[in-house]
Amino acid sequence: ETGVTQTPRHLVMGMTNKKSLKCEQHLGHNAMYWYKQSAKKPLELMFVYSLEERVENNSVPSRFSPECPNSSHLFLHLHTLQPEDSALYLCASSQLRTSGYHRNEQFFGPGTRLTVL
Amino acid sequence: AQRVTQPEKLLSVFKGAPVELKCNYSYSGSPELFWYVQYSRQRLQLLLRHISRESIKGFTADLNKGETSFHLKKPFAQEEDSAMYYCALAGGEIQGAQKLVFGQGTRLTINP
Repeated sequence: ETGVTQTPRHLVMGMTNKKSLKCEQHLGHNAMYWYKQSAKKPLELMFVYSLEERVENNSVPSRFSPECPNSSHLFLHLHTLQPEDSALYLCASSQLRTSGYHRNEQFFGPGTRLTVL
Repeated sequence: AQRVTQPEKLLSVFKGAPVELKCNYSYSGSPELFWYVQYSRQRLQLLLRHISRESIKGFTADLNKGETSFHLKKPFAQEEDSAMYYCALAGGEIQGAQKLVFGQGTRLTINP
């Protein structure tokens, strides 16, 4: 499959469960991102990885734990979540900007719809 | 603070009518702005960016620094333009990766 893929597409979990979201990009990019899209809020940036190094944690609670084992894969490990964490979680990737003024486009996955009971 | 405001959650126009989706931003630096679109059952994708000064699918957007706006316009709407539109601000960069700040989005419906 091309582009950015995310699995699972839907996930229902209890507050005591541990689960992981997976993102894979087939675009040869070297930056990856996690976003959260809640029903009544704008899309919020959660984490940024540049060359497999986490470079931004946007005040995200520790019950969300990202992992980037290589430039093609990104995980979001979930544990002891709250019902208010129910949302659509989007992964994106881009090429790092190494020179010039033009910032590179982010390509988004289809998202994982998470429901916490 | 970096903020993007899209004042209209819903916008409905008739086919052939002009369309304008409003976007205002708050940013202390030199802004870089984008419009992303999400068609039904498709993923979020870039529509256009202000730096390119291009027209995509008949849409244009001009950055007005005086009014801190980046409104999206199309002179004649088509039914296939029905989608969710998000305005986004590149609110800084960290080690070559961009940090996007999104607006709430506007759902555009084109009526036949």
